[in-house]
Amino acid sequence: KAGVTQTPRYLIKTRGQQVTLSCSPISGHRSVSWYQQTPGQGLQFLFEYFSETQRNKGNFPGRFSGRQFSNSRSEMNVSTLELGDSALYLCASSPSGGRTMNTEAFFGQGTRLTVV
Amino acid sequence: AQTVTQSQPEMSVQEAETVTLSCTYDTSESDYYLFWYKQPPSRQMILVIRQEAYKQQNATENRFSVNFQKAAKSFSLKISDSQLGDAAMYFCASISGSARQLTFGSGTQLTVLP
Repeated sequence: KAGVTQTPRYLIKTRGQQVTLSCSPISGHRSVSWYQQTPGQGLQFLFEYFSETQRNKGNFPGRFSGRQFSNSRSEMNVSTLELGDSALYLCASSPSGGRTMNTEAFFGQGTRLTVV
Repeated sequence: AQTVTQSQPEMSVQEAETVTLSCTYDTSESDYYLFWYKQPPSRQMILVIRQEAYKQQNATENRFSVNFQKAAKSFSLKISDSQLGDAAMYFCASISGSARQLTFGSGTQLTVLP
């Protein structure tokens, strides 16, 4: 069974640009969550999607958005990039859905975004 | 709101020895799960062990075991017979029924000395 796939692995962008990151979950998983990892703030939750609907959102500005497609693949977009957006962005997929919590999350290798 | 605290930024252990990583958490919920994740240099977060809050028995996965003290809100990870491949950043995390996202601690960098 293939794991969680995130593309691209590395990105370098300029301040003010926008970027789109992609995450393909494990086959059969319907929940996809995104996390930002930085040395200063650690791991912070961005948002979670289930069946193409955003179920939960972390405390990030509106420049951070996402979506999920009918095949459960998810994208996150960051507009008007700032230097502070430089981070490792991790995607996690979970098999559970509905009202149950995600008791098991499988992570991808992340996308390293550098904003210059 | 949930919080997870790891007070040991760095730890080291001799190969084949045992090491314990500490974690405390705070939650007002009765239904929650606790996790230890390992993040090696490859950056992929790997689930090491999981503990259901309603289970009194401590979880065990091969050389990895936890000491879950519910009243004290403590959740430590014990690694026995440490191997060089255990060197990584270890994160303690929690998730509760009302908040469907993982809350992570700040991590403990584990070095295994040959």
